[in-house]
Amino acid sequence: EVQLLESGGGLVQPGGSLRLSCEASGFTFSSYAMSWVRQAPGSGLEWVSGISGSGVTTYYADSVKGRFTISRDNSKNTLYLQMSSLRADDTALYYCAKGQQVVAVEYFDYWGQGTLVTVSS
Amino acid sequence: EIVMTQSPATLSVSPGERATLSCRASQSVSDNLAWYQQKPGQAPRLLIYDASTRASGIPARFSGSGSGTEFTLTISSLQSEDFAVYYCQQYNNWPPWTFGRGTKVEIK
Repeated sequence: EVQLLESGGGLVQPGGSLRLSCEASGFTFSSYAMSWVRQAPGSGLEWVSGISGSGVTTYYADSVKGRFTISRDNSKNTLYLQMSSLRADDTALYYCAKGQQVVAVEYFDYWGQGTLVTVSS
Repeated sequence: EIVMTQSPATLSVSPGERATLSCRASQSVSDNLAWYQQKPGQAPRLLIYDASTRASGIPARFSGSGSGTEFTLTISSLQSEDFAVYYCQQYNNWPPWTFGRGTKVEIK
């Protein structure tokens, strides 16, 4: 059974940093691209960042480019999102989501339950 | 960036009735379109990919159609557990992968 378990969310001040983690199980982690997708309170879904199975290729939404860094440790079956220079509009539930191939996600076939990031003073 | 537009924003339907949800892309996405269902307090769940292929375990009452710029998700006979928000997402031109704003299906 595929499981994705996010952690690392919390309350952070504007300009601060936070690192999210997503521990994966139930599939060969290194064989699949992964993404982070966020959902602001009461809003829709926004793709944030993606990474290939090898970790060599990364993708970012313009809204986070230069501030967020996605990475993965295939030996630990874990996906990360390092977030810095956080702003109030980064406040959201952050989901880890699995793709279907190694190079890049197409659609998201499994999702974690999310970890909440709140940016506020 | 491809913009996905869903309509209507809210759809009021009685249990047992058919629901038809629309999704339009700002340019052709071929059949590279997925649909998701999200219930309150839950993560999204994949329903349909490649515009018309049901994901594993998805009931046959859910069907997807369309290609290019116009897509439809049909729920043939709404069950109580189907009242939720539905999102479409394109994966033809990326990054970014883009979602529609969602259609909320509520009980009439």
